[in-house]
Amino acid sequence: DTAVSQTPKYLVTQMGNDKSIKCEQNLGHDTMYWYKQDSKKFLKIMFSYNNKELIINETVPNRFSPKSPDKAHLNLHINSLELGDSAVYFCASSQGGTSGGDTQYFGPGTRLTVL
Amino acid sequence: QKEVEQDPGPLSVPEGAIVSLNCTYSNSAFQYFMWYRQYSRKGPELLMYTYSSGNKEDGRFTAQVDKSSKYISLFIRDSQPSDSATYLCAMSKQGAQKLVFGQGTRLTINP
Repeated sequence: DTAVSQTPKYLVTQMGNDKSIKCEQNLGHDTMYWYKQDSKKFLKIMFSYNNKELIINETVPNRFSPKSPDKAHLNLHINSLELGDSAVYFCASSQGGTSGGDTQYFGPGTRLTVL
Repeated sequence: QKEVEQDPGPLSVPEGAIVSLNCTYSNSAFQYFMWYRQYSRKGPELLMYTYSSGNKEDGRFTAQVDKSSKYISLFIRDSQPSDSATYLCAMSKQGAQKLVFGQGTRLTINP
């Protein structure tokens, strides 16, 4: 029974296209995240939502737009894809405590290749 | 300079060896320290979690935090081929949900 799932697992597309990645968690967590992992394995946070509200928005081009229809889902839409967007995108979730140091549970990743 | 520095390796050791993985950081506000393990083509999974300074042991794994030196370590005893993975350190501040990750160290345990 998958805790954090993402679709699709692989995404190959042309430059300039628009694409979406979907994420769902069945852990009952309040907070969800999107991370980008580049070719050097460097994992960097992009966005975080708590109960459908945006709480972290790192310096990310506005071509990237997260959407949280409910607290179990967080989708990532990317407009006008560029070569530099090629990476693995991970969704994660956590209980969302205010003390910090929340354990985050990661999905399997979506490998995006922009040609 | 990155907030969290981690040698990307790769690191290759024989089975049964003791492995030492390390990270340094620059922000003294970090209070929570974690180690994640990431197998090839998989998502990171939490391995060890430590609050503030000190040691924590879980089976063959020991995590150490030295806040005075801004240095954290993960030791793996009796290493197994199944320990071959990328190990990422991560840390966060009190009251913050944002995790800051190191680059990850790619570890291979040779049978």
